[in-house]
Amino acid sequence: EVQLQQSGAELGKPGTSVKLSCKVSGYNIRNTYMHWVNQRPGKGLEWIGRIDPANGNTIYAEKFKSKATLTADTSSNTAYMQLSQLKSDDTAIYFCAMWYYYSGDRFAYWGQGTLVTVSS
Amino acid sequence: DIQMTQSPASLSASLGETVTIECRASEDIYNGLAWYQQKPGKSPQLLIYNANSLHTGVPSRFSGSGSGTQYSLKINSLQSEDVASYFCQQYYNYPNTFGAGTKLELK
Repeated sequence: EVQLQQSGAELGKPGTSVKLSCKVSGYNIRNTYMHWVNQRPGKGLEWIGRIDPANGNTIYAEKFKSKATLTADTSSNTAYMQLSQLKSDDTAIYFCAMWYYYSGDRFAYWGQGTLVTVSS
Repeated sequence: DIQMTQSPASLSASLGETVTIECRASEDIYNGLAWYQQKPGKSPQLLIYNANSLHTGVPSRFSGSGSGTQYSLKINSLQSEDVASYFCQQYYNYPNTFGAGTKLELK
């Protein structure tokens, strides 16, 4: 069974950084892209970016290029996202996810989400 | 970036009814579209991929259709467990983008 286990809730002060983790079990992350998506309170889903853990290549949504940094550790099968220069607007639930739709064995797995609250 | 315009924002329907949710892309996404269901406090769950393919384990009362820039999700014979928010997602191009969501409630 594939599971994505995310780290616990974070409380960050404005101007600081937080680093979220997403440990995958049941699937080798070298064989997929790891995506990150956020959801502000009561709002919709927003794609932040994705990393190819096999080579570290990343793609970010424009608005997150200076906000989020995606990394992955294939030895521990874990993906990470660091959020920098936190502002109140960054308060949201952050999901890690992996999806593949194109052919063969299609899948979509999501973590349970990590609540990041930015407050002084 | 490809914009996804989803409608309606909210929907109230009775048990047994058929409901339809629509997404319009700002350009052709060549069926690179998925539909997700999200219940409060939970992660999104995949319903449909490639615009019209039913994901494994999803009840057959869910169906997707469309092409080009216009796509829809239909739920036949609405059940109480279908009360949730629904999102479309285009994955034809980066950045992947989501619709704003449709909140489905029981009348």
